[in-house]
Amino acid sequence: QVQLQESGPGLVKPSETLSLTCTVSGGSIRSFYWSWIRQPPGKGLEWIGYTHTSETTNYNPSLKSRVTMSVDTSKNQFSLKVSSVTAADTAVYYCARPISMGTFGAFDIWGQGTMVTVSS
Amino acid sequence: DIQMTQSPSSLSASVGDRVTFTCRASQRISNSLNWYQQKPGKAPNLLIYAASNLQGGVPSRFSGSGFGTDFTLTISSLQPEDFATYYCQQTYSTLFTFGQGTKLET
Repeated sequence: QVQLQESGPGLVKPSETLSLTCTVSGGSIRSFYWSWIRQPPGKGLEWIGYTHTSETTNYNPSLKSRVTMSVDTSKNQFSLKVSSVTAADTAVYYCARPISMGTFGAFDIWGQGTMVTVSS
Repeated sequence: DIQMTQSPSSLSASVGDRVTFTCRASQRISNSLNWYQQKPGKAPNLLIYAASNLQGGVPSRFSGSGFGTDFTLTISSLQPEDFATYYCQQTYSTLFTFGQGTKLET
């Protein structure tokens, strides 16, 4: 059974870069489009973007200038970087996998989420 | 961007009730609509995909319908574990967007 686990610093200073990793266990990272989604405290869900082992990426335009995603097949991991963070980037960050290969956005497998706070 | 509007924002119901959530898209999205349930402190859980397909392991009391711009999620007989927040999500465009959520309360 495929499981996802986010990891990374829980506290990031303003103007710095937020870096998170999602480790895929129980299955291969190949052939899926892997997404990141975030949820500010007490608010709704915001899709950040997806990445693929083919190096295809698709980012939410609202974050596109600050976001980079990549896949490391050797480690079965994918990553998220958000640069120049502000308090508005404080959120629980989830990694997620869609329901089947070649599809993008009905997410049936999620990580547990990791809280990232932007504060000095 | 395709805007997803859920109504109501909160809903009070009792165990055994039939409950319906509504989600409206700002433009036609075919059947590219998914529903999630989220409980406090937990990741969302996929209930329905492609508007009406029940995700494996989800109880049959959940059902989805709709096409184009208007969609509904129905719980036929509310159970205690169903009190949660429900989100719709469109995957018609390459910018996936979620509704703001409907909180189901007792």
